[in-house]
Amino acid sequence: QSVLTQPPSVSGAPGQRVTISCTGSSSNIGAGLDVHWYQQLPGAAPKLLIFGNSNRPSGVPDRFSGSKSGTSASLAITGLQAEDEADYYCQSYDISLNSWVFGGGTKLTVL
Amino acid sequence: QITLRESGPTLVKPTETLRLTCTFSGFSLSTSGVAVGWIRQPPGKALEWVALIYWNDDKRYSPALRSRLTITKDTSKNQVVLTMTNMDPVDTATYHCAHSFKGGSGWAFDYWGQGTLVTVSS
Repeated sequence: QSVLTQPPSVSGAPGQRVTISCTGSSSNIGAGLDVHWYQQLPGAAPKLLIFGNSNRPSGVPDRFSGSKSGTSASLAITGLQAEDEADYYCQSYDISLNSWVFGGGTKLTVL
Repeated sequence: QITLRESGPTLVKPTETLRLTCTFSGFSLSTSGVAVGWIRQPPGKALEWVALIYWNDDKRYSPALRSRLTITKDTSKNQVVLTMTNMDPVDTATYHCAHSFKGGSGWAFDYWGQGTLVTVSS
């Protein structure tokens, strides 16, 4: 059971918009700790997609955006493309556990 | 250009000690504000943070694994070493090392090694 909760799967057709939620608690996201998002393509290492809730590293398309509110965060992907099919993970820090924590991951299927 | 590469045994027996080395380039672990972490991923499962070492030699460990872990750095060799004792089959996973930076109020992992699959089996 992950400290950060994500839906196991989401799907969308090419060109559509999908969102992936990441729900935490008052000891992590709700405590003001930032959320970061990673994309993991099949067989590859994770890639940083969003840091500090809503910032994109250089080279990440602006189709990817992040937001945070209260004890939750969201990753939005617009203009869905076949190459977006991957696993997505949120990550934060938990002050009660004194530990970096990841969500359980969400598998995105492009229909 | 930042790169990281993990090396170590691919197969260990239960109760043995695992020693993994992360060799990196493109940054120095003596530079303020830099850290290197280890993250593992059992086959078909989620990412799990394991350990992290800061530029100032401060160290952090997963609470669930703390008693079994040691992380060290050798800045002259650009290496970070993770040692995990008393290995068990549940520790079978791909172990990644990653460069970490302070992105906002928290630390994110922006460059990752490809990972090394460690299987624990007799």
